[in-house]
Amino acid sequence: EVQLVESGGALEQPGRSLRLSCTASGFTFGDYGMSWFRQAPAKGLEWVGFIRSKAYGGTTEYAASVKGRFSISRDDSKSVAYLQMNSLKTEDTAVYYCSRRSISSGYYDYWGQGTLVTVSS
Amino acid sequence: EIVMTQSPATVSVSPGERATLSCRASQSVSSNLAWYQQKPGQAPRLLIYGASTRATGVPARFSGSGSGTEFTLTISSLQSEDFAVYYCQQYNSWPWTFGQGTKVEIK
Repeated sequence: EVQLVESGGALEQPGRSLRLSCTASGFTFGDYGMSWFRQAPAKGLEWVGFIRSKAYGGTTEYAASVKGRFSISRDDSKSVAYLQMNSLKTEDTAVYYCSRRSISSGYYDYWGQGTLVTVSS
Repeated sequence: EIVMTQSPATVSVSPGERATLSCRASQSVSSNLAWYQQKPGQAPRLLIYGASTRATGVPARFSGSGSGTEFTLTISSLQSEDFAVYYCQQYNSWPWTFGQGTKVEIK
């Protein structure tokens, strides 16, 4: 069974940093690209960023709203994807989800349960 | 950036009735469109990809259609478990973008 479990969400002050983890199981993690999404309170879904599998260079893409502040990495030996969040802003407050990109295209077939990040002084 | 617009924002439907949800893209996304269902406190769930292909385990009462800029999600006979928010997402070009969601509520 495919499972994605996010962790690391917390209350953090503006300007500080936080790292989220997404631990995967039930599939060959290294074969898949992974994305992070977020959902601010009572708002819709927003794509945050994406990391390709090593077979496709392990390169990343980011939304304009987080580019230069957030970075995504992966450790295929541990089946974990990370979201490093620097220079946090109050508008980064959201539930953050990791999700597995389909092997064949850009839709997302499995999602974690989410982890809450609150940025407030 | 491709802007996705969903309508209506809320639709009120009685159990057993049909619901039709629309999603419009600001430019063509071909058939690179997915639909997700989200219930309160839960993660999104993939329903439809490729504009019209049901994901594994999705009941046949859910169907998707369209291509280019106009898409529709139809729920043929609403069940109690279908009351939720539905989002469309384009994956034709970066950045991936979502519609703002349509809430399907009980009439």
